[in-house]
Amino acid sequence: DAGITQSPRHKVTETGTPVTLRCHQTENHRYMYWYRQDPGHGLRLIHYSYGVKDTDKGEVSDGYSVSRSKTEDFLLTLESATSSQTSVYFCAISEIGYTGELFFGEGSRLTVL
Amino acid sequence: SQQGEEDPQALSIQEGENATMNCSYKTSINNLQWYRQNSGRGLVHLILIRSNEREKHSGRLRVTLDTSKKSSSLLITASRAADTASYFCATLRGLTGGGNKLTFGTGTQLKVEL
Repeated sequence: DAGITQSPRHKVTETGTPVTLRCHQTENHRYMYWYRQDPGHGLRLIHYSYGVKDTDKGEVSDGYSVSRSKTEDFLLTLESATSSQTSVYFCAISEIGYTGELFFGEGSRLTVL
Repeated sequence: SQQGEEDPQALSIQEGENATMNCSYKTSINNLQWYRQNSGRGLVHLILIRSNEREKHSGRLRVTLDTSKKSSSLLITASRAADTASYFCATLRGLTGGGNKLTFGTGTQLKVEL
């Protein structure tokens, strides 16, 4: 299995609080992604990174920010969590971008009350 | 609607039978990928087929791609209870301004019963 660790795996928080999810990889892959998975929507891309300090928005980036200060870590921050951000968040990595396969973490389940 | 849409949404079969899932999409693609997700777990890559390929095999998996019909199918032969999972197709297409976009469908839930 690809070395991808997401933390925390489960979190319950209240509306308006900041939340940071962490993705850590040991594969030294260049590309990292954050997706959210919701029933009826499949996986939707939030943000992605193509290198240290190089990030870009995905299709559902509003309300989220990311940072990548090291190759191995990609952080997803919800500045002020809302109930609509209740979801399961997946980190993924790839060696050659989208043209190849993605390796996924085990997911972080976030509940915003 | 989604670029990739799987059909059926749910499929229940007996162990040993074959399972076929279909994926349709709307615009031209560079490649199409299939992923499996066990309950409560992350997605696992199964197979990638490029737009210039028509068929690909990997173990008990067979994937076909028909670009004229904008559709793909995933066949799992001699299914096992361990194949119970959700299966997603993901289509990769180039963007006008450069770069690529990978879009996941909503998945087919496969249940293989003993």
